[in-house]
Amino acid sequence: AQSVTQLGSHVSVSEGALVLLRCNYSSSVPPYLFWYVQYPNQGLQLLLKYTTGATLVKGINGFEAEFKKSETSFHLTKPSAHMSDAAEYFCAVTPFDRAGTALIFGKGTTLSVSS
Amino acid sequence: KAGVTQTPRYLIKTRGQQVTLSCSPISGHRSVSWYQQTPGQGLQFLFEYFSETQRNKGNFPGRFSGRQFSNSRSEMNVSTLELGDSALYLCASSLKGVGRNEQFFGPGTRLTVL
Repeated sequence: AQSVTQLGSHVSVSEGALVLLRCNYSSSVPPYLFWYVQYPNQGLQLLLKYTTGATLVKGINGFEAEFKKSETSFHLTKPSAHMSDAAEYFCAVTPFDRAGTALIFGKGTTLSVSS
Repeated sequence: KAGVTQTPRYLIKTRGQQVTLSCSPISGHRSVSWYQQTPGQGLQFLFEYFSETQRNKGNFPGRFSGRQFSNSRSEMNVSTLELGDSALYLCASSLKGVGRNEQFFGPGTRLTVL
């Protein structure tokens, strides 16, 4: 079965510091991987996704993630945190590129940014 | 282009009642998926509809049901509400509902069961 593990339910950084949110997945087939962000009282917004091709994926708001098959990881990074990055972040995997495939989410990581 | 809309945004019900939530997908999107979000279980997949047909279903009891109309709008229904059904219910739409396609999420309906 496919699963996603996000290490650290809460990460705190200072403004301007590096952001690193960890995600490891388990999948019996090559996965499609996603990072979503959720602000309070809002739905989920896609930050970036990996489907095929280049393993370093760039997303919105300066975020990027690298797919490492050997480590089964898809960690999210941002070189310099902004106060507006404070939110909850979800890593998700979908194992198949076929109709009706559901997203399997990690438990989420809350990012706090202090000034 | 308008995003995914969900109504109502907030609901308060009592145990034993039933509830219907509505989701209007982005224009042109034919796939609608529903997810339940709770602090304890996180985000869990409920079901997915495409062209009025349910294509996939998560591990939820039969009290949870849904349907999709010819205009792609979707509703989900929860009967005989339990306290544990209190959650944020998120709807997501995508063009075809295929794995790699981006799913666009609505703001959710927060259901409180008393």
